[in-house]
Amino acid sequence: QKEVEQDPGPLSVPEGAIVSLNCTYSNSAFQYFMWYRQYSRKGPELLMYTYSSGNKEDGRFTAQVDKSSKYISLFIRDSQPSDSATYLCAMIARTSYDKVIFGPGTSLSVIP
Amino acid sequence: DGGITQSPKYLFRKEGQNVTLSCEQNLNHDAMYWYRQDPGQGLRLIYYSQIVNDFQKGDIAEGYSVSREKKESFPLTVTSAQKNPTAFYLCASSRVLGGGGYEQYFGPGTRLTVT
Repeated sequence: QKEVEQDPGPLSVPEGAIVSLNCTYSNSAFQYFMWYRQYSRKGPELLMYTYSSGNKEDGRFTAQVDKSSKYISLFIRDSQPSDSATYLCAMIARTSYDKVIFGPGTSLSVIP
Repeated sequence: DGGITQSPKYLFRKEGQNVTLSCEQNLNHDAMYWYRQDPGQGLRLIYYSQIVNDFQKGDIAEGYSVSREKKESFPLTVTSAQKNPTAFYLCASSRVLGGGGYEQYFGPGTRLTVT
């Protein structure tokens, strides 16, 4: 079993839809949780970061962490065509602080 | 402009040749990383360096080598011993975030094709 699982998609939604992207993980030592966005042929960029269970909101984006279920989500409200990208969840464990573990990424297309 | 530069963007090599990928950062970050990205597999860590003149193997270091002689530079050599070198290679550096954890800044990547 991989440490971090993520549905690869592709996910296709109409403009304005609410998008839910999800990751599950197996290592209970994961303490920091991040979402990166990667446009085609570009490097990933940090979108959201959190280290506690619950919700964190930033504009149209909400990151949700449920440590008891080992499950994290990213919600995108009022999705736009410019949100079309691959979304990677990433985690850092307190036992191996120098490494970031990335999920495989979910490809999202927002159709105008 | 602060950031990470990788060159070249596309690189073509014949099998059996070593090739070096460049990575430079002017963000004054201590830590730098090399990842490989293949379709459906996400990012896999090749090597990382927390400080000049020191580096550690990541999860898939076999067939690769690095050096860290300067804070700004972390070149990656893909040797002929790497069995499947064709991939998208990403360099990153990191800064510490509030509350712990850290953000990785990525370069634009180098797409290496070996035939």
